[in-house]
Amino acid sequence: AQKITQTQPGMFVQEKEAVTLDCTYDTSDPSYGLFWYKQPSSGEMIFLIYQGSYDQQNATEGRYSLNFQKARKSANLVISASQLGDSAMYFCAMRDTGRRALTFGSGTRLQVQP
Amino acid sequence: GAGVSQSPSNKVTEKGKDVELRCDPISGHTALYWYRQSLGQGLEFLIYFQGNSAPDKSGLPSDRFSAERTGGSVSTLTIQRTQQEDSAVYLCASSSNRRETDTQYFGPGTRLTVL
Repeated sequence: AQKITQTQPGMFVQEKEAVTLDCTYDTSDPSYGLFWYKQPSSGEMIFLIYQGSYDQQNATEGRYSLNFQKARKSANLVISASQLGDSAMYFCAMRDTGRRALTFGSGTRLQVQP
Repeated sequence: GAGVSQSPSNKVTEKGKDVELRCDPISGHTALYWYRQSLGQGLEFLIYFQGNSAPDKSGLPSDRFSAERTGGSVSTLTIQRTQQEDSAVYLCASSSNRRETDTQYFGPGTRLTVL
């Protein structure tokens, strides 16, 4: 069975600094996809970035990058130059080839301080 | 373009009543998903539609929960004889199923409160 673990319930970061949000996963499927979503206080889940298990390079999308270490089964999200608007819950999720559904971690609440 | 929409945004009901939650996916998206987000259980998958069929309904918690999708578009999630433990935010997502990433895009959710 798939499992996603986010060990940081809450994180603080100063504005303009970089922050890393941890995510580890467990699956027996050799082919899978990893996703990060942002959920601001408004409640909507916003897709940020995707990493495929066979991708050779770490994914990047603007200020977001994914530090993918396949052997360690980790897919940490790095946010560079934090902004006040980055304050939100962040969820790591996984989908393997056996299912279309996403399995989510418990989330990390990030607070960006001025 | 328009994103995923859900209605109502909030629903308060009494224990034992039936409720219907609606999801309108992104135009052209063939796949539609329902998830539930609650404080105790986090984000849980409920059901997945491809077109009008539901090849994966493994997450529905009981037979009080059902969902349908018509015309390959709008979906309705029905909860019969609601219980207090059904209180949660119900999130709908859709995807195009055309690319390897097949990213799911979420709606704003329906907050259900069962008194």
